[in-house]
Amino acid sequence: DAGITQSPRHKVTETGTPVTLRCHQTENHRYMYWYRQDPGHGLRLIHYSYGVKDTDKGEVSDGYSVSRSKTEDFLLTLESATSSQTSVYFCAIKGTGQTSIYFGEGSWLTVV
Amino acid sequence: EDKVVQSPLSLVVHEGDTVTLNCSYEVTNFRSLLWYKQEKKAPTFLFMLTSSGIEKKSGRLSSILDKKELFSILNITATQTGDSAVYLCAVTSGGSNYKLTFGKGTLLTVNP
Repeated sequence: DAGITQSPRHKVTETGTPVTLRCHQTENHRYMYWYRQDPGHGLRLIHYSYGVKDTDKGEVSDGYSVSRSKTEDFLLTLESATSSQTSVYFCAIKGTGQTSIYFGEGSWLTVV
Repeated sequence: EDKVVQSPLSLVVHEGDTVTLNCSYEVTNFRSLLWYKQEKKAPTFLFMLTSSGIEKKSGRLSSILDKKELFSILNITATQTGDSAVYLCAVTSGGSNYKLTFGKGTLLTVNP
């Protein structure tokens, strides 16, 4: 157990509403990542963080924003949810140096 | 743009067979290559290979990294039905930011 908790684990929301997914870690790791996983596309990086208040975009960042105000929490916000954002969202964490990367259990989001 | 390509995309074998999964990459400032196994849940970590550790083995699974030719292979010997899963290859790259890019995965099905 890598000490990562994602919430909510399952959510159904309506098109146009804002949604926030939370990733919480107890490992004090520096690096945190948000991915989405869709059939045929694999895991695609949305945003990642390399420290408190330090974030960068991944390959599919449009329509998403993130915040990291403290080491343990990395929030992913869908500013105005669309049906194309229906997906499974995974958070991952990594320590400093050449260390492994571990995943949370995923958040299933359905936008109707 | 960083790129990780896995082959084959899918593979069906019989129990007891040996399989080889391939991963090639083109990234800026390579750091490490990681292999994951994913069943119907979050990816679970298998191996990490870096310039200082280009061969890893754990039971029936082994992996090598060729930094000159920019590829890695994952071997599974004496396959079992429990090996059926998607196997993901990922590469960390960048300066101090450790961006993590995934390939689309190889779906391995092991039939009894």
